Amino acid sequence: QQPVQSPQAVILREGEDAVINCSSSKALYSVHWYRQKHGEAPVFLMILLKGGEQKGHDKISASFNEKKQQSSLYLTASQLSYSGTYFCGTPSGNTPLVFGKGTRLSVIA
Amino acid sequence: EAQVTQNPRYLITVTGKKLTVTCSQNMNHEYMSWYRQDPGLGLRQIYYSMNVEVTDKGDVPEGYKVSRKEKRNFPLILESPSPNQTSLYFCASSLVGTSALYNEQFFGPGTRLTVL
Repeated sequence: QQPVQSPQAVILREGEDAVINCSSSKALYSVHWYRQKHGEAPVFLMILLKGGEQKGHDKISASFNEKKQQSSLYLTASQLSYSGTYFCGTPSGNTPLVFGKGTRLSVIA
Repeated sequence: EAQVTQNPRYLITVTGKKLTVTCSQNMNHEYMSWYRQDPGLGLRQIYYSMNVEVTDKGDVPEGYKVSRKEKRNFPLILESPSPNQTSLYFCASSLVGTSALYNEQFFGPGTRLTVL
């Protein structure tokens, strides 16, 4: 079962912050985050494995709330290079990884 | 260089003409997977493989076949392509930790398939 991402799309001006949410109707044991730029393959951002875990690099970070069965990706002081589609992925049943439908992020000058 | 390669990158074919999209990785990964990407639907998994000779259906396996005879290769076969299989296809690979993926998944560059 696909995780649900929100919002579906967001437009930001450079320097603004954004939050992308990923939730599941089933228990979450791990969450992957990937970014795909237009015309390219998805690229790994980070994996969260434990409830309460937070990770980040540069100005992109994520948190994982097991109890709420959700993860959030935080983009701080967005740059033009952050534009793309962000996907979360979670295990589902016997399938090791199922992706959500993605959140399209557009950063404008 | 560690990478996942796919061939061909672009393919236009006609309905019913069998085709194979190859996928190869040089990272000794156990896990390999095929996805199709269509506007508004995200990355939908077609088939995946946890190791050699082990394959399982994903969310949208109808009309596709796969095989995993060698660790590095995971070809996607369309026995009788139809126009609704027109899509962007990605192959991916990863190390496996127990039964889940605790490592990043590496994606190939994608294959854009058009079935007329």
